[in-house]
Amino acid sequence: DIQMTQSPSSLSASLGGKVTITCKASQDINKYIAWYQHKPGKGPRLLIHYTSTLQPGIPSRFSGSGSGRDYSFSISNLEPEDIATYYCLQYDSLFTFGAGTKLELK
Amino acid sequence: EVQLQQFGAELVKPGASVKISCKASGYTFTDYNMDWVKQSHGKSLEWIGDINPNYDSTNYNQKFKGKATLTVDKSSSTAYMELRSLTSEDTAVYYCARGGRYDDGYYFDYWGQGTTLTVSS
Repeated sequence: DIQMTQSPSSLSASLGGKVTITCKASQDINKYIAWYQHKPGKGPRLLIHYTSTLQPGIPSRFSGSGSGRDYSFSISNLEPEDIATYYCLQYDSLFTFGAGTKLELK
Repeated sequence: EVQLQQFGAELVKPGASVKISCKASGYTFTDYNMDWVKQSHGKSLEWIGDINPNYDSTNYNQKFKGKATLTVDKSSSTAYMELRSLTSEDTAVYYCARGGRYDDGYYFDYWGQGTTLTVSS
C-alpha cells in the first residue's frame, strides 16, 4: 500500500499571505495526486487533480506542483474562506489520503 | 448541479447493522461510480470501496471486506452502504463521493456532506 506523509499537520497564516503544504508518497505516484479542502459539516471539495490541474471554478490562488514522490500545494493571497483542513489524495494505486493540514488565521 | 445527499446521523447499538444512503442528482447516475470514505473522529480519511451502478460491480479496501457492503438502486439514483457487526471502532463520519474516470485518472470529484454514525449502547 502507498503511504502519504503530509506536512505540516497545522499552520497559521495571515490574510493575504501564502502557505505551502507538502505530501510525500512512499513510492512514485506518477503525478496522480489530488488536493481537497474540507470544512466542518461539509464534504471535501476537490481543488486540484493530476498534481496541478485546477478543478473548474477554483481560483488561481490555489496551485500544485511536484513529481515522483514529492508534491506540494500552495494558496496565495490567503482569504478568510480559505480557513479549512486540506488533504492530499494519491490515486495512482487504489487511494490513500494524507493526514491533513489544518489552516488557521494568524 | 451535482448533489450527493446524505442523512445527518445514525445511532446504533453494538453488534447491529446499519444501512447508510446517498441520493445522487444532477447527473446520470450510471455514468459514474460511487465511492465511500470513512473519517474517524480527529483522524484522516480512509477509502472503503466503490460500486459501478451500471454493473453492480464492487471494489473494496481489504480492511473493509466483510464489514461493508455496497449496493445501488438505479430507479432512485441512490447508493447504499451497509455496515455490519458494529463496534465502537465504526463510530465515524461516512462520506459518499462520486468517482469519475477521467483522462488524468480516477478520482473523487463531488462529495456528500457525510453521515455521522455513532455506535453506542
